[in-house]
Formats: sequence, structure tokens, C-alpha cells
Amino acid sequence: DVKVTQSSRYLVKRTGEKVFLECVQDMDHENMFWYRQDPGLGLRLIYFSYDVKMKEKGDIPEGYSVSREKKERFSLILESASTNQTSMYLCASSLGQGIQPQHFGDGTRLSIL
Amino acid sequence: GESVGLHLPTLSVQEGDNSIINCAYSNSASDYFIWYKQESGKGPQFIIDIRSNMDKRQGQRVTVLLNKTVKHLSLQIAATQPGDSAVYFCAEYTGNQFYFGTGTSLTVIP
Repeated sequence: DVKVTQSSRYLVKRTGEKVFLECVQDMDHENMFWYRQDPGLGLRLIYFSYDVKMKEKGDIPEGYSVSREKKERFSLILESASTNQTSMYLCASSLGQGIQPQHFGDGTRLSIL
Repeated sequence: GESVGLHLPTLSVQEGDNSIINCAYSNSASDYFIWYKQESGKGPQFIIDIRSNMDKRQGQRVTVLLNKTVKHLSLQIAATQPGDSAVYFCAEYTGNQFYFGTGTSLTVIP
């Protein structure tokens, strides 16, 4: 089974802090994704990556950046956290060939005070 | 995906009954669809998928039906069990990414 591991289940940070959310997958998947999940809204794509060192903006990239130095690891960075970034953050991965289902981690619930 | 709103649609069923969860997708060009299950405190879990060249696909106790004419997707769960209680949402693939519905909260009454 695919295992996508997010380093923190719960995180509390202060406004203005730089925040790092880490995600690791163990299935040698080429593609990795970061979403946020808010009540009443579907998952929204922040950033994705099809290969090491590559990144693409999703639908809501403002205020975020990403890093993919190794194939198995995809980091989401909040450059200067703001209260409207309080949310559930989900990382996903998928195989690179064709259209493939995405496999998700259990999420990081981030609160910005 | 499903219409966006502030409240999740809900569905309550008796244990042992069949459940039907519906999803209206938005893009007629979408060519791949997935149903996910999300239990409280966990990430979404893949249940079943279907490509646009199919109308029906069956898995273990689950069936997905695709009606491209009206852009409608449904998930049928046979003999619903307490462990099926969760939020279910659909995802459509269009362009180069997935778009996700808001979900339906299924409660199974013992």
C-alpha cells in the first residue's frame, strides 16, 4: 500500500512566522501535491510537482511556496503565516504515467494565531 | 464536483441497507473520476474510479455509475455497515488536475 506521511498532525503557529509542512511518500511516485481543505469547500490545489526540482502553481498558490529536493519528499512553506491560512493541509502523491489516482496523507491541521 | 456550500449534504441509512451518494460534475470534457472516503481525523482514501468510456464499474460492495449525458456520478454501497460512516466526495479529472466535490456525510444507524 502507498504510504504518504505528513510530519505533523497538529501545528500551532503565530502570524508572521515561516512555517514548514513536510510530506514523504514511500512508493517512488513521480507526482506530489499539496491541497488545503476548508469546511464547505472541496480540496483546493496549492502546488504540485511532477519531478525533483520541478514545481507548478495550482489554483491558490499565493502566500505559499514549495520545495522538492528529493523524489520522496515535498515540502510546503508558508513564507509569512497569516490567520487566513488556518486550515487542514493534505499532501498527495501519484504515479507519473497517465492519469492516476492520488493517494493522500492524514493531513496537518494548522492553526495560525 | 458537488455544488459548493457551507453545509455538507448528509445521508443517514440503516445498517444493512444500500446507500446511494450522488455527485454532479461540472466539465463535460472530464475523462476520469474517483470516489474518496474520508473518516474523521484521516486523509481521503481511494474507493473506486471510473473512466469516461465506461458507464458502470463495480468493486467490493461498491458500484460507481457514470451518466455523461447529465454529468452525474453516483456511488452505491451495498449492505451499509457502521464502518462506512464517513464523508464521501467525488473528484473529476479535467485539464491537468483533479477537482474535488464538497462531500456527503454518511451516517449509518445501527
